[in-house]
Amino acid sequence: DIQMTQSPSSLSASVGDRVTITCRASQAITNYLAWYQQNPGKVPKLLIYAASTLQSGVPSRFSGSGSGTDFTLTISSLQPEDVATYYCQRYNSAPLAFGGGTKVEIK
Amino acid sequence: QVQLVESGGGLVKPGGSLRLSCAASGFTFSDYYMSWIRQAPGKGLEWVSYITSSGGTIHYADSVKGRFTVSRDNAKNSLYLQMNSLRAEDTAVYYCARNSPHGGTDYWGQGTLVTVSS
Repeated sequence: DIQMTQSPSSLSASVGDRVTITCRASQAITNYLAWYQQNPGKVPKLLIYAASTLQSGVPSRFSGSGSGTDFTLTISSLQPEDVATYYCQRYNSAPLAFGGGTKVEIK
Repeated sequence: QVQLVESGGGLVKPGGSLRLSCAASGFTFSDYYMSWIRQAPGKGLEWVSYITSSGGTIHYADSVKGRFTVSRDNAKNSLYLQMNSLRAEDTAVYYCARNSPHGGTDYWGQGTLVTVSS
């Protein structure tokens, strides 16, 4: 099965900082990758699908890139409401898999 | 608006069974693949299963294969998860989620907590 590895597992940044989260697949998955945001105590929310397409209603400070095995989620200017755990998920074939998550905090 | 409401969670002893339900509304249920995803307390997300729109194809995570069964009733706009031979490690919040045709899961229920403990 294809495993998904996220890094870092946590990070702390200042408001306005550019934040980058990495997700690596153990085998190529073309662009079958989604990113989710889970605010504390909340339900996960789809941010990005097809590696780089922003879900409707998601702020433009979020962006995704990558293809094959290496992907990134970037927050161009971190806001207080972005405090959350972020997960990548591959959906190229079953069994589907999430990354372990990246917890983002404000410094 | 799209709504997914799970029910059926609770406390069950190891080896026991439980059936979760998910009532869907606000969209044409029969057009969408659906998923179950779980999250153990303080842990990350774990994909459990998905079922195609007709119910003709179902996939499971290795961790639940042979113990869990997913089904759907398109006439009742409902998704189900039958969980047998439950283990302590199955303790989690179980989410019902709609698969987006573009990729990923675009709507999630609020989740229902399943606790497996003696």
